[in-house]
Amino acid sequence: EAQVTQNPRYLITVTGKKLTVTCSQNMNHEYMSWYRQDPGLGLRQIYYSMNVEVTDKGDVPEGYKVSRKEKRNFPLILESPSPNQTSLYFCASSSGIEQYFGPGTRLTVT
Amino acid sequence: GENVEQHPSTLSVQEGDSAVIKCTYSDSASNYFPWYKQELGKRPQLIIDIRSNVGEKKDQRIAVTLNKTAKHFSLHITETQPEDSAVYFCAAPYSGAGSYQLTFGKGTKLSVIP
Repeated sequence: EAQVTQNPRYLITVTGKKLTVTCSQNMNHEYMSWYRQDPGLGLRQIYYSMNVEVTDKGDVPEGYKVSRKEKRNFPLILESPSPNQTSLYFCASSSGIEQYFGPGTRLTVT
Repeated sequence: GENVEQHPSTLSVQEGDSAVIKCTYSDSASNYFPWYKQELGKRPQLIIDIRSNVGEKKDQRIAVTLNKTAKHFSLHITETQPEDSAVYFCAAPYSGAGSYQLTFGKGTKLSVIP
């Protein structure tokens, strides 16, 4: 089954404690991206990757890092999380036509 | 980059009525316009899209229209049903990018009242 998976689905953490949200796709898509969704602000892109070892900033990259060492994986790293990064995060992949979203990760930073 | 404005932010309709959601975009080079539906607690999913070489596309009860001159596109849902209740997002591609580099509107929460 073609899918995008994210882990964990829910995470509560404290300010400053490094965390990683994993994203994996099994569709051999070249393009992957991360979004955050906040009430009234829609989906805002954090980072995207056009292929292995090729990443670039989206609209709201501050406080986040990504890596793309393998085609199927695109982890999102928060080196020092802050409360303003409390949000719902979606990973997505695409072959160039339709974007497929993961199930989402709800992150709370206290 | 692209700027996408979406209206209204909330919309309530009676079951069976029609619903229309409108989006405007800024980049005249944009050529692909998808609509995503996000049910409560779920991920966004593509429901319909349109390319700039056509003015309208239909899929059963949903349709999308595109006016490239005015740089706006709209989602039309006819004979609405309670299962149409969701948040709908329009999107448009960044300038010069393929369809995978998208800017999303802020979303419209549609409520269909039985």
